[in-house]
Amino acid sequence: AQTVTQSQPEMSVQEAETVTLSCTYDTSESNYYLFWYKQPPSRQMILVIRQEAYKQQNATENRFSVNFQKAAKSFSLKISDSQLGDTAMYFCAFDPHYGGSQGNLIFGKGTKLSVKP
Amino acid sequence: KAGVTQTPRYLIKTRGQQVTLSCSPISGHRSVSWYQQTPGQGLQFLFEYFSETQRNKGNFPGRFSGRQFSNSRSEMNVSTLELGDSALYLCASSLELAGRNEQFFGPGTRLTVL
Repeated sequence: AQTVTQSQPEMSVQEAETVTLSCTYDTSESNYYLFWYKQPPSRQMILVIRQEAYKQQNATENRFSVNFQKAAKSFSLKISDSQLGDTAMYFCAFDPHYGGSQGNLIFGKGTKLSVKP
Repeated sequence: KAGVTQTPRYLIKTRGQQVTLSCSPISGHRSVSWYQQTPGQGLQFLFEYFSETQRNKGNFPGRFSGRQFSNSRSEMNVSTLELGDSALYLCASSLELAGRNEQFFGPGTRLTVL
């Protein structure tokens, strides 16, 4: 079965510092997508960053970047210059349907990140 | 462009009742997925609809059903509610374009079953 594991249930970081959230996944697929989603206390899930498995280059979106290690099946999220607004649950998600989503994102249990002033 | 909308935002029902939740996807998105989020089980996939057809289904009992209309709006229905159905129900829509399959989520419907 395809699974996603986030080993850090909770993390905290000081404002302006850098934090890395871990994610590992298990699949036999060779092409797939990986995502990090953010769910602030107001509940709306927001896409932070996406990575296509066939691309070796790590994705970057402003202060957010990933370290994608395909062989190790690892997909960590680095948040630089942490801001108070980054406080949220972060979910790592896996989509095995390369070429078009068919729903069924597989989510990790999430990491609750608190950014402290 | 308006985001994914879900109605109602909050709902309180009693055991044995049924409930219908609604989701309007982002304009142009034809794929709609539903997820159940609970503290214990996390986010679990319910089903996905594309062009009015259920294309994928998660591991939920038959009490959970859904449909999609020609305008891509979707509804999910839960019959004979149980206490364990209390959850946040999230809807997500996708453009369904190769290479651009990320899902965009609505704010959710918080269902409480008493």
